[in-house]
Amino acid sequence: KAGVTQTPRYLIKTRGQQVTLSCSPISGHRSVSWYQQTPGQGLQFLFEYFSETQRNKGNFPGRFSGRQFSNSRSEMNVSTLELGDSALYLCASSSGAGGYSYEQYFGPGTRLTVT
Amino acid sequence: AQSVAQPEDQVNVAEGNPLTVKCTYSVSGNPYLFWYVQYPNRGLQFLLKYITGDNLVKGSYGFEAEFNKSQTSFHLKKPSALVSDSALYFCAVRDGGSSNTGKLIFGQGTTLQVKP
Repeated sequence: KAGVTQTPRYLIKTRGQQVTLSCSPISGHRSVSWYQQTPGQGLQFLFEYFSETQRNKGNFPGRFSGRQFSNSRSEMNVSTLELGDSALYLCASSSGAGGYSYEQYFGPGTRLTVT
Repeated sequence: AQSVAQPEDQVNVAEGNPLTVKCTYSVSGNPYLFWYVQYPNRGLQFLLKYITGDNLVKGSYGFEAEFNKSQTSFHLKKPSALVSDSALYFCAVRDGGSSNTGKLIFGQGTTLQVKP
């Protein structure tokens, strides 16, 4: 099976712009989660989707949003970009509907740089 | 609140020697614990998990982890380290405060350096 894919891999944006990142989960996986990784804050949970519904959301401002499509693909959007949004954004998919006991498989990430 | 601590920023070990990367956790209910590894410019790779059962869990690439409930620890181990094991290792716990969710809470990560 193909792994989790994320596009684009690298992105450079200017403050104030918005950006959309895409994630395609492993075939058959219905749960998709997003994480932000920075040197200072480490790995932080953004949100989780299951069957097109947001199941959980982390402590991020409303500028961060996401959605999941009927084919389980997911997108996240960041509006009005700030310098502090520069990070590696990781998407992970999981097979279990329950979520709690199933491991998540991560994509390679999208490296976002805000200038 | 659930939390994970990795007390060592970096662990140095000689190739062929055993390695241990430490992790302690705090959860309100039953812990669901995971170890991931990250190589430069890559995403996280799943190594192993503890859900229930035997306290010694075996995972990928010869890694294993020992769950200790009384010490609330889940240390990652390998009997003989390889230079190729050099990477960033993350311990994570599933957030038991939110039912039916896969949300993971990660430790800050430990850099493992294996020297020839």
